[in-house]
Amino acid sequence: EAGVTQFPSHSVIEKGQTVTLRCDPISGHDNLYWYRRVMGKEIKFLLHFVKESKQDESGMPNNRFLAERTGGTYSTLKVQPAELEDSGVYFCASSPDMLLQTQYFGPGTRLLVL
Amino acid sequence: QKEVEQDPGPLSVPEGAIVSLNCTYSNSAFQYFMWYRQYSRKGPELLMYTYSSGNKEDGRFTAQVDKSSKYISLFIRDSQPSDSATYLCAMTSSASKIIFGSGTRLSIRP
Repeated sequence: EAGVTQFPSHSVIEKGQTVTLRCDPISGHDNLYWYRRVMGKEIKFLLHFVKESKQDESGMPNNRFLAERTGGTYSTLKVQPAELEDSGVYFCASSPDMLLQTQYFGPGTRLLVL
Repeated sequence: QKEVEQDPGPLSVPEGAIVSLNCTYSNSAFQYFMWYRQYSRKGPELLMYTYSSGNKEDGRFTAQVDKSSKYISLFIRDSQPSDSATYLCAMTSSASKIIFGSGTRLSIRP
């Protein structure tokens, strides 16, 4: 069974540009989560989808971040315009239910904003 | 003050040693306590999961939760070089928002 996949694995962009990160969850997983780890800090929750609906987006830092999950399959996280402090690793996780022990994480996308 | 405090290490021990990793927290509402292992360039992988206080054992790993002291621990017995990774404690009061510690880098010397 394929795990959670994320694309791209790395992205280097300039301040002010737009970047779109993609997450493909494990097939059949209705729950999809986005997290990020800013350099030197802990992993922080961004938002949670149940199918195509946003269940909890309280962790989204500001309106430069837009997450979508059209059709309830893959999800995208767009940062527009990117700022220096957005640099870090963005993780996606999926689960078939809302039990914490069934969240499977992807390898992350490393974003560097110059 | 952070909700979850974890010593970043690095921690280096010889193969076969018992490893003790710890976290403290401030939010008494936390009910679910997890330990994740993260290898370099990979995502976190759930190791142990405990609800409320008590101990849980899984092979060489033991997780302890002391809610009265707001203190959780992970013990690794007979440590192996393959245990070298970053260990993250995490906790939550809900099924959605997990609060992570900053992680402890562990190295097991052969």
